[in-house]
Amino acid sequence: AQSVTQPDIHITVSEGASLELRCNYSYGATPYLFWYVQSPGQGLQLLLKYFSGDTLVQGIKGFEAEFKRSQSSFNLRKPSVHWSDAAEYFCAVGPFYNQGGKLIFGQGTELSVKP
Amino acid sequence: ETGVTQTPRHLVMGMTNKKSLKCEQHLGHNAMYWYKQSAKKPLELMFVYSLEERVENNSVPSRFSPECPNSSHLFLHLHTLQPEDSALYLCASSQEKQVKNIQYFGAGTRLSVL
Repeated sequence: AQSVTQPDIHITVSEGASLELRCNYSYGATPYLFWYVQSPGQGLQLLLKYFSGDTLVQGIKGFEAEFKRSQSSFNLRKPSVHWSDAAEYFCAVGPFYNQGGKLIFGQGTELSVKP
Repeated sequence: ETGVTQTPRHLVMGMTNKKSLKCEQHLGHNAMYWYKQSAKKPLELMFVYSLEERVENNSVPSRFSPECPNSSHLFLHLHTLQPEDSALYLCASSQEKQVKNIQYFGAGTRLSVL
């Protein structure tokens, strides 16, 4: 069955520290991969996506993610966290062959930032 | 501002009430989605509309009834809900219903069923 796992439900980092949020997926083939962020009281906003090509992708707000096929992972990173990055982060996957619009989301990782 | 507007932002209803959630997109998209977001659970896709035709219904109870009168508007009609239906309901839209087309989300309607 297709699934997305975000092992960390809640992470706290200090402002200025580096960040890595983990995402592992189970899928029959290489899927499309996404990271979304949800700030309190807001909807989801796309941070970045991977479809093909360079396995290191850059996104908005200084985030990047690396696709590792051998590990079925798509971890999100940021070298220096800002207080405004406190939010919930969702990893999502979808079928590579463009069938429908169905995304499968992970459970989410809540990020807290200490001053 | 994502171009997807949901109203109301908050809704409290009794189990015997009938209410509707509204979603409007100003992005010129032709696919629209309803998701349910419950605490500590992954987002659950409920319905997908493409060119005003329902193309997916993920085993959602009949007490939820979607309506898509045109490509810019999407409704979710609610009746005789249960307390476990309390959640954040998110609407999204995309250019087409293909996964590679980015989905843009509204801020959601926080629903509480008493």
